[in-house]
Amino acid sequence: KNQVEQSPQSLIILEGKNCTLQCNYTVSPFSNLRWYKQDTGRGPVSLTIMTFSENTKSNGRYTATLDADTKQSSLHITASQLSDSASYICVVRVYNDYKLSFGAGTTVTVRA
Amino acid sequence: GAGVSQSPSNKVTEKGKDVELRCDPISGHTALYWYRQRLGQGLEFLIYFQGNSAPDKSGLPSDRFSAERTGESVSTLTIQRTQQEDSAVYLCASVPYSGGETQYFGPGTRLLVL
Repeated sequence: KNQVEQSPQSLIILEGKNCTLQCNYTVSPFSNLRWYKQDTGRGPVSLTIMTFSENTKSNGRYTATLDADTKQSSLHITASQLSDSASYICVVRVYNDYKLSFGAGTTVTVRA
Repeated sequence: GAGVSQSPSNKVTEKGKDVELRCDPISGHTALYWYRQRLGQGLEFLIYFQGNSAPDKSGLPSDRFSAERTGESVSTLTIQRTQQEDSAVYLCASVPYSGGETQYFGPGTRLLVL
């Protein structure tokens, strides 16, 4: 069964600090991995997408890494801001399939 | 341009009642997905529409759930005889074309069944 596991489930950080979120997956065959940000009461919005051959991808203060051999990804948030408070969802696509496998998300709370 | 919209944004209903949820995709997007998001869980695939092809209904949890879409326009998700376990956020996403990578999500409909 294709699974996506995220950790931690939630975390609280002070404004200006960095944090790293983890994603482990068993999806196979792998096509790509995407990180989404979901603000409270909103739909998810794509942050980054990485294919098998990509190790890292940045979007502003967000940097995602991918190790396709160990099937692990991380999302690093640098110099956090209050607006980073959201749920971050790891999503993996199976090759040649329109269905996606979603992690349960990590809820990040940034405090002043 | 306008994004994906969903209505109602919130719906409270009594057990046993029918509800209809609406999704307006981005104009020109050929594919449309419905998902269910329960608290603390990942998005659960419900149904997939692609153009005029037969929809993939494999994710619908029971025959109380049904969805329709006419061409590449509005879609409705109907839940009949609602149960308390149907309480969740129902999200709709549209995609520019078949095989397109980015899903554009609506804000969701929060359904509470009392």
